[in-house]
Amino acid sequence: AQTVTQSQPEMSVQEAETVTLSCTYDTSESDYYLFWYKQPPSRQMILVIRQEAYKQQNATENRFSVNFQKAAKSFSLKISDSQLGDAAMYFCAYRSANTGNQFYFGTGTSLTVIP
Amino acid sequence: GAVVSQHPSWVICKSGTSVKIECRSLDFQATTMFWYRQFPKQSLMLMATSNEGSKATYEQGVEKDKFLINHASLTLSTLTVTSAHPEDSSFYICSATQGTGANYGYTFGSGTRLTVV
Repeated sequence: AQTVTQSQPEMSVQEAETVTLSCTYDTSESDYYLFWYKQPPSRQMILVIRQEAYKQQNATENRFSVNFQKAAKSFSLKISDSQLGDAAMYFCAYRSANTGNQFYFGTGTSLTVIP
Repeated sequence: GAVVSQHPSWVICKSGTSVKIECRSLDFQATTMFWYRQFPKQSLMLMATSNEGSKATYEQGVEKDKFLINHASLTLSTLTVTSAHPEDSSFYICSATQGTGANYGYTFGSGTRLTVV
């Protein structure tokens, strides 16, 4: 099975500053998708950003962008101009484009935004 | 956008009783639904995958007789925790998708907190 590793259990950032959350994964597949999900205290899983492995261009969604390094199997999330509402648990996730189609989640990074 | 409703949002039950959790896709037909379990401050662990009209596929280590999953229609899947015990207390989340191809998104429900006393 694929594994997803988030090595930062907790991170903090000053409001309006930039923070980067790390994620690495292990797979033998060439076609897959990577995701960052946000889980606020409400526990609702919210999709932040998605990256297709076949795309070399890094995905961006407003203040959120990723640094996708396929060869290194690295998929970090950069949050610019951090806002108080960004405080949440962030999960990196992998999904195969072929078999199973289930998500493999990392252990999460708890992000605190300091006013 | 796609919405998945999960009910109840929280439930407390006595040890030995059964609890049913519903997961409904409100504005799309969910051919596949997934059930996850999340312990406090931990990640989501896939319990089972269910396709409409078929038996669910359980992950290794998940007791299929204890966690009964039914996906009888394209908009509803249920998870029944039978003879619940305190160790079953957890946060359960469902996810639904119209299809498993590249262009289909997955939508998560808001979760159910189960406490067994």
